[in-house]
Amino acid sequence: DTGVSQDPRHKITKRGQNVTFRCDPISEHNRLYWYRQTLGQGPEFLTYFQNEAQLEKSRLLSDRFSAERPKGSFSTLEIQRTEQGDSAMYLCASTGRGNTEAFFGQGTRLTVV
Amino acid sequence: EDQVTQSPEALRLQEGESSSLNCSYTVSGLRGLFWYRQDPGKGPEFLFTLYSAGEEKEKERLKATLTKKESFLHITAPKPEDSATYLCAVGDDKIIFGKGTRLHILP
Repeated sequence: DTGVSQDPRHKITKRGQNVTFRCDPISEHNRLYWYRQTLGQGPEFLTYFQNEAQLEKSRLLSDRFSAERPKGSFSTLEIQRTEQGDSAMYLCASTGRGNTEAFFGQGTRLTVV
Repeated sequence: EDQVTQSPEALRLQEGESSSLNCSYTVSGLRGLFWYRQDPGKGPEFLFTLYSAGEEKEKERLKATLTKKESFLHITAPKPEDSATYLCAVGDDKIIFGKGTRLHILP
């Protein structure tokens, strides 16, 4: 068990481009969360999955954001037509059956120029 | 709507000077209250889960306590390596975080 893995660790993109991030949760963890964090703020909830089902999506989340978790394993977060305001750290976390605490990956730092 | 408020926003202590961080919350259904430590540029690291009022948990120089409306993270005789941002979160189905307390321990 190597923990939650996120790829890439850093991404620089030009405004208007699409980007996709990947998260591999801890093996057999059934819940997977995506968060966004900006400097000086706590992680902001974006969405979460139980197995392959997306159960909740933040009302603050633009339609440019979409997440998937095919087969209930890894997940991807796509941002279309990136804007400078999308620059942030994107964090993924997972929890297992019977557990409540979430374990986080190291995050993907996105910079939109 | 679920809400988590942490105070103070920032705290500077001398090495060995004990103190407490506060986390107050309003939630519709408390499944657990969580404390995390976050170092710059890294993901949050899990510290504690508390489930019911009166519960306490300890790890090295840290002790977390829980009441019906708030939680405290007590730091006893801190060292410079305890410098970090400490995040509080509450969870039912989704987990909501506070903004954190930035703790700086001066040698």
